[in-house]
Amino acid sequence: GENVGLHLPTLSVQEGDNSIINCAYSNSASDYFIWYKQESGKGPQFIIDIRSNMDKRQGQRVTVLLNKTVKHLSLQIAATQPGDSAVYFCAETSSGTYKYIFGTGTRLKVLA
Amino acid sequence: KAGVTQTPRYLIKTRGQQVTLSCSPISGHRSVSWYQQTPGQGLQFLFEYFSETQRNKGNFPGRFSGRQFSNSRSEMNVSTLELGDSALYLCASSLRGGEAEAFFGQGTRLTVV
Repeated sequence: GENVGLHLPTLSVQEGDNSIINCAYSNSASDYFIWYKQESGKGPQFIIDIRSNMDKRQGQRVTVLLNKTVKHLSLQIAATQPGDSAVYFCAETSSGTYKYIFGTGTRLKVLA
Repeated sequence: KAGVTQTPRYLIKTRGQQVTLSCSPISGHRSVSWYQQTPGQGLQFLFEYFSETQRNKGNFPGRFSGRQFSNSRSEMNVSTLELGDSALYLCASSLRGGEAEAFFGQGTRLTVV
């Protein structure tokens, strides 16, 4: 939405550089994780997911890393483009709860 | 394939009124979840429905309710609106819910005055 996270942490990167967005999740029982991208005025858009039996998963220009020991998730975006500018959220869920817990979000700004 | 459709996109209501929001999931998806998004609280879970049954509910007052129809379309209702209910209400659609990809609609922006 337009006013999502007025005081979000912001990551500024140069166009063409790689971006790394981090997320600390809360529940050690969480077994499925998703990264979402939200542009102004739009709903969250699915980027990539990972299950707890994996520690890395790659998509197109994106990689998600999962460290269950320290409950940490990261999203790596290769060759960041202006169109990647948005707010990024991690979300976690655990079996049988049927709900996602979202992180606070990180605003990514791509500098030309 | 059509995405998740939420109607209306924008709504302005007065304190004390009630409101109904609608969500049509992706064809074939049977799970619908609702979330409230505000700048202060972020994205918070309201409830989840699967095959017309509510499987989980978030920590919201009883003024917030929902339902799902046999065609998987869902509605949520907020009664006795308060100023603090102003938010973006998002609906997510999934094949089966739980640990499965969930796709969001564009949301309904509710403003309570």
